[in-house]
Amino acid sequence: DQQVKQNSPSLSVQEGRISILNCDYTNSMFDYFLWYKKYPAEGPTFLISISSIKDKNEDGRFTVFLNKSAKHLSLHIVPSQPGDSAVYFCAASARSSGSSNTGKLIFGQGTTLQVKP
Amino acid sequence: DTGVSQDPRHKITKRGQNVTFRCDPISEHNRLYWYRQTLGQGPEFLTYFQNEAQLEKSRLLSDRFSAERPKGSFSTLEIQRTEQGDSAMYLCASSSTGVWNYGYTFGSGTRLTVV
Repeated sequence: DQQVKQNSPSLSVQEGRISILNCDYTNSMFDYFLWYKKYPAEGPTFLISISSIKDKNEDGRFTVFLNKSAKHLSLHIVPSQPGDSAVYFCAASARSSGSSNTGKLIFGQGTTLQVKP
Repeated sequence: DTGVSQDPRHKITKRGQNVTFRCDPISEHNRLYWYRQTLGQGPEFLTYFQNEAQLEKSRLLSDRFSAERPKGSFSTLEIQRTEQGDSAMYLCASSSTGVWNYGYTFGSGTRLTVV
């Protein structure tokens, strides 16, 4: 059962335009959502996160939107730059019953973003 | 602080052999995680430690897999009697308690190929 899904394997945008990466989830117990970026031969790098009590979080060119009713989140990159070309993973974490969040993350399959100069 | 280090970066082994990977987390991080990533998929959680205690293991971690974190510092992941299905990237990450939501720091991973 894929609890976190990224249905678009790839996305191509022109430099300077907006990149929108989407993610859907099924578990209503998720309380934090994170986006990671991964270059080839490197480990994933944290980009931005959002708590389930918020609907938007912004950090520079990166904004994450959360729609809890639709169980959907998206990452907006504006303006897109060629250096943003990478695989982007959406991840989520749930609080275990009766305890604090362990930090265990459930990842989506990833979306490969290509930003063309 | 040099980040999270993993060794080796690549490992090719014959089916049936045992392999061991090492992870050195960021020194002040008390939490350490192991993930496995196969081609076209996102990382899958294997296990995590808080200090030296192993607090959770995924059902993906069969009896052939064992992880340790002696003294709450570095960690090792051992795979016994490797199978071709074990071929994957094994990722280690670390964080401090309560601040994981700012993102773990991942290492560059160990790529295992079982032939």
